[in-house]
Formats: sequence, structure tokens, C-alpha cells
Amino acid sequence: DTAVSQTPKYLVTQMGNDKSIKCEQNLGHDTMYWYKQDSKKFLKIMFSYNNKELIINETVPNRFSPKSPDKAHLNLHINSLELGDSAVYFCASSQRWRRETQYFGPGTRLLVL
Amino acid sequence: QKEVEQNSGPLSVPEGAIASLNCTYSDRGSQSFFWYRQYSGKSPELIMFIYSNGDKEDGRFTAQLNKASQYVSLLIRDSQPSDSATYLCAVTPNQAGTALIFGKGTTLSVSS
Repeated sequence: DTAVSQTPKYLVTQMGNDKSIKCEQNLGHDTMYWYKQDSKKFLKIMFSYNNKELIINETVPNRFSPKSPDKAHLNLHINSLELGDSAVYFCASSQRWRRETQYFGPGTRLLVL
Repeated sequence: QKEVEQNSGPLSVPEGAIASLNCTYSDRGSQSFFWYRQYSGKSPELIMFIYSNGDKEDGRFTAQLNKASQYVSLLIRDSQPSDSATYLCAVTPNQAGTALIFGKGTTLSVSS
């Protein structure tokens, strides 16, 4: 019955590799988000999709590419991983854009060696 | 650059006391205000949201919003050790194409 789910939960990989994180929500929400939480626990928006359309694309390296095949899914692909990409990546969703409460997934802990 | 500021803490209170968590924001036109709780190693979970000036109460939690002072606070009455967590203030600024901006969080420690 998980509302927002992410896979994998943990990801350990070498520098230079390419990896993907998947997110799915079963809440029927229109909007989905990717956040990065660094070692200092600062939570920062990376991307947002509303009805499969990219709404927010913060200053994120081009190595990060989101993809939303449908409203219930938002995936994040990362090329040429770097040490600084190590963080926890959270997916979230909200019923509609902006004012709405966001519900977070459990997070994907990425460690780049 | 829109900002949300919180004292990182830790804020230490004894069990049963009132914990007061504060947050200021830079965008005067901000519209929606949220408090999230994050336990160590877990994801943020919503505690309260508030849109209008004044107080909003939900159980032991009270959110207070003062738009003139650009200030939002969270009071936790009868604090319990299970309230020990990081509390994140989040604000929706009045700017098209932006979503929630989070503060860096205040760590609360409730001792029994």
C-alpha cells in the first residue's frame, strides 16, 4: 500500500558509471518531484513534472535527466556519476502543482566510490 | 534567491515541555507554509500546513504564521522523546515555476 515508492533503496557504484532511480506513486497525483538531500541534510528541488510535463529544472548538471513515462512514474537517470553525487534522492508527489502538500518516497541512498 | 532560514539547533527540551521551532522566509509574497518532520534515515513527513495568518492547531502541534513579519513557527506541546527529529520548514514562494523551498531544518531532542 506504499503511496510513493522508489527503487532501489540503496545504490553503491563507481565513479563514471550510469545509473537510474525509479519512482512510482499510486495516489493519483498530477505532480511529481525529485529532491536531493546532501550530507548536511539540506533538501533541494531538482526537477518537477506536472501531468508528464517538465515544470522545474533547477540548476542541475546535464548528467541528470528525468523522464516521466506517465503521471504515476518519474525516473531519474544519472550519467557519468561523480563523488559529489553521493546523497539521498527523494521522490515526492502532490495532487496538483504548487500549493499542495507533497508526499515523499522512502529515498534512495546513493554512494559513489 | 528565495530563502528559508531555520536555526539548526539542536534544540533540547525535557519531556513534557513546549518546544518552539522558528522559521523565517525572504519572499514576502509566499503563499503556503509547511512543517515536515524527518527522523534520521527516513523521509520527510508532513505535520502541518498553514496558509493564513494566525494559529492552526492539530493535537499537540500548533503552527503560527505572521506574514507581516515573514515568520512561521511550530509549537509542540507536551513534548515526547518520540518527537526527537529534524523539523523542516518549507515555503511556496510567489514565483511562477517554483515549488517548495525548504529550510535546512532544526534538530529537536526531547529528553526523558
